[in-house]
Amino acid sequence: EVQLVESGGVVIQPGGSLRLSCAASGFTFDDYPMHWVRQAPGKGLEWVSLISGDGISTFYADSVKGRFTISRDNSKNSLYLQMNSLRTEDTGFYYCAKDGERVGAFRYFDSWGQGTLVTVSS
Amino acid sequence: SYELTQPASVSVSPGQTASITCSGDKLGKKYTFWYQQKPGQSPVLVIYQDNNRPSGIPERFSGSNSGNTATLTISGTQAMDEADYYCQAWDRSSVVFGGGTKLTVL
Repeated sequence: EVQLVESGGVVIQPGGSLRLSCAASGFTFDDYPMHWVRQAPGKGLEWVSLISGDGISTFYADSVKGRFTISRDNSKNSLYLQMNSLRTEDTGFYYCAKDGERVGAFRYFDSWGQGTLVTVSS
Repeated sequence: SYELTQPASVSVSPGQTASITCSGDKLGKKYTFWYQQKPGQSPVLVIYQDNNRPSGIPERFSGSNSGNTATLTISGTQAMDEADYYCQAWDRSSVVFGGGTKLTVL
């Protein structure tokens, strides 16, 4: 059974930095691209970032480009999101999500973690 | 950037068929995916690649995609299907979500 467990969410002031982690189990971690998806309270889903299985290729939403960095440690079956220059609009639940395909011309999410709450507030 | 448009809300009576649409430019040329999210829970994939159900998803969930519109259909809707539903596509190295549709079963 696939399990994704996020951690690292806290209350933090604007301009601060934070690193989220996601511990994965139940599948061959380095076979799959992984994502971060966020959801502001009471709002819809927003894709944040994607990293390839080997960690070489990364992609970001325009809203976080240049501020957030996605990474992974395949030896630890772990995914990370380094968040810098945080803004109040970055507040929300951050979900770690496993891609449904090892390779392919499209991306989607077949498993999600329970989410970790990041609150950016002064 | 690519956009997907969903109705904010859809209502359906128990046992009837609910249809939730997702519109985007030439969406039929891309694969569409659908997620269900109940209050306080993480999203769950209910349809992938337009019309495929993951293991464990009831047969009453189906999907289609043609032209500019993808549709999630729930046949014989049950009270447990009340949730938010999101469509999703992949465009130019970005994941795109629709704004979400609140399905009310009443």
